[in-house]
Amino acid sequence: QVQFVQSGAEVKKPGASVKVSCKASGYNFDGYAIYWVRQAPGHKLEWMAWIHCGNGNTRYSAKSQGRLTITSDTSANTVYLELASLRSEDTGVYFCARDAAGRGDSWGQGTPVTVSS
Amino acid sequence: DIVMSQSPLSLPVTPGEPASISCRSSRSLLHSDGYNYLDWYLQKPGQSPQLLIYFASNRASGVPDRFSGSGSGTDFTLKVSRVEAEDVGIYYCMQSLELVRTFGQGTKLEIK
Repeated sequence: QVQFVQSGAEVKKPGASVKVSCKASGYNFDGYAIYWVRQAPGHKLEWMAWIHCGNGNTRYSAKSQGRLTITSDTSANTVYLELASLRSEDTGVYFCARDAAGRGDSWGQGTPVTVSS
Repeated sequence: DIVMSQSPLSLPVTPGEPASISCRSSRSLLHSDGYNYLDWYLQKPGQSPQLLIYFASNRASGVPDRFSGSGSGTDFTLKVSRVEAEDVGIYYCMQSLELVRTFGQGTKLEIK
């Protein structure tokens, strides 16, 4: 069965970087894309970045582009999201999801990231 | 980016009664392949989002048939025929026509 296991909670200071991971299992990793979604406390879901795990193509939201890097490691069936120059407003829960013909049909459990001095 | 707008933002419902959520997009989500690239998700308290409806009207695997989606182009609706206590949470529409996806603001369904 399709499953995603995300890395654990992170606490970072403003200006630092954070890298969260999403390990996939139960399907052909190369055949799908994965995207990341963020939810700040009390806020709506915010789409952030996308990567096709087969060809490495990427897309980023305009809001975070420049600070975001999404990568995939096909040998480890894992996708990573790195966010640089962290600000307090980057605090939230980060979710990965499989992109199946446009829809997010399977989601990770979420990784809480706290940015605080 | 395509802008998604939902209404209402808050929806108190008596168990057993129907509920309806509207979602509007700033551009048509109808692709040349004939599908509307509009999904509905439910995020229950403390959980990850879960897919309910894709291509505007197709129920995802395991989703009860009391959930239904309709609409085309720029106007879409999610209906719950008889709300149950387990349906509480925030409902989001999301466009998947473009690789850069966008969500609606979310509609919080609560039990009266």
